[in-house]
Amino acid sequence: NAGVTQTPKFRVLKTGQSMTLLCAQDMNHEYMYWYRQDPGMGLRLIHYSVGEGTTAKGEVPDGYNVSRLKKQNFLLGLESAAPSQTSVYFCASSRAPETQYFGPGTRLLVL
Amino acid sequence: GQQVMQIPQYQHVQEGEDFTTYCNSSTTLSNIQWYKQRPGGHPVFLIQLVKSGEVKKQKRLTFQFGEAKKNSSLHITATQTTDVGTYFCAGGDMRFGAGTRLTVKP
Repeated sequence: NAGVTQTPKFRVLKTGQSMTLLCAQDMNHEYMYWYRQDPGMGLRLIHYSVGEGTTAKGEVPDGYNVSRLKKQNFLLGLESAAPSQTSVYFCASSRAPETQYFGPGTRLLVL
Repeated sequence: GQQVMQIPQYQHVQEGEDFTTYCNSSTTLSNIQWYKQRPGGHPVFLIQLVKSGEVKKQKRLTFQFGEAKKNSSLHITATQTTDVGTYFCAGGDMRFGAGTRLTVKP
């Protein structure tokens, strides 16, 4: 089992560019999450999904969109990247809204 | 909305000393989880507490959930260099505390 994987591992964008981060899990989990982690601020929930075809907003959803077309995948999109979106992005999955398994993270730098 | 505060933000200890981090919520929590993140790594689940006053132990780690289910603590006895990392608590609605960064001097 690979667990939770994220692609890419690292990306540099220019302001205004768009990109999609991919999260995949092979544990048949219903719940999937996207967090961003900034120094001194812990993990903040961007969006989450409680099942295939569903998405919901978290604490900091502005500037991001998500899709869960397949149960095992959860995509995070940035339509027009801004320097404030420079962060480390973590995806996680869980069987129920409790124990979460995190991916290795994606480091995003927006210039 | 629910706020989860964690203190201290940083803790530096000598190897062998004890360490405690505290998590406080503005509202009653249905459950609380603790995670550890090693430098450069990703958060790893440690434990979940659900019941009021619950105490759980994992070797040198002791986790407590307050009677009012608004606070929790993680205590490490006799720290080792392998304990280095940031410890996060998370409330029932996936809201994380800012974390306590632990460094251990050999």
